[in-house]
Amino acid sequence: QSALTQPASVSGSPGQSITISCTGTSSDVGGYDSVSWYQQYPGKAPKLMIFEVSNRPSGVPDRFSGSKSANTASLTISGLQAEDEADYYCSSYTSSSTLYVFGTGTKVTVL
Amino acid sequence: QVQLVQSGAEVKKPGASVKVSCKASGYTFTSYAMHWVRQAPGQRLEWMGWINTGNGNTKYSQKFQGRVTITRDTSASTAYMELSSLRSEDTAVYYCARRYCSAGSCYFGFDPWGQGTLVTVSS
Repeated sequence: QSALTQPASVSGSPGQSITISCTGTSSDVGGYDSVSWYQQYPGKAPKLMIFEVSNRPSGVPDRFSGSKSANTASLTISGLQAEDEADYYCSSYTSSSTLYVFGTGTKVTVL
Repeated sequence: QVQLVQSGAEVKKPGASVKVSCKASGYTFTSYAMHWVRQAPGQRLEWMGWINTGNGNTKYSQKFQGRVTITRDTSASTAYMELSSLRSEDTAVYYCARRYCSAGSCYFGFDPWGQGTLVTVSS
């Protein structure tokens, strides 16, 4: 089972908006509304930011939003802040024997 | 509050086995599935398997089938992940993570996560 494809890095200035893509197939991203997004700081455990494509857990700023079109999901961070500098991973349920697949990860840099 | 606390770092020789524990607190352990995810140094997250903490049923990623065993001790509110026939490529941080649930419903997503356990495989 291949990983979901994400850009290796995305950068933006404070206050700007950035979007991270997550491309899979009809067996995972395109087949289920199960995409979730995680923020991970170096040496720390991941933190859930978006579940089931576009839902935010309580406590996650509304600057974070998610969407999906066909086999590609996206995470948008609006009003970028210095504290948003981290690695971001998408994940999806998959009909393959792996059950869950993660993305390749994207490093977000705040310029 | 809901918390998952994992056992400490391990150093193992190739061919050995390792067993990592994940103690849950702040909620009813048997009501929520527990997943295991690993992350090799500088690499992406990788899902390994999950356990229904209520009845003990398990499902593993095909990649780890035959080498991984996930169990639980309900009296201790603790889940375990054992990986056998270790090789250098198994050097990674291993995380337990609960299925995300809120207001009585559960969703696709993992939260919270344990702090991670570094397993180093080296001769």
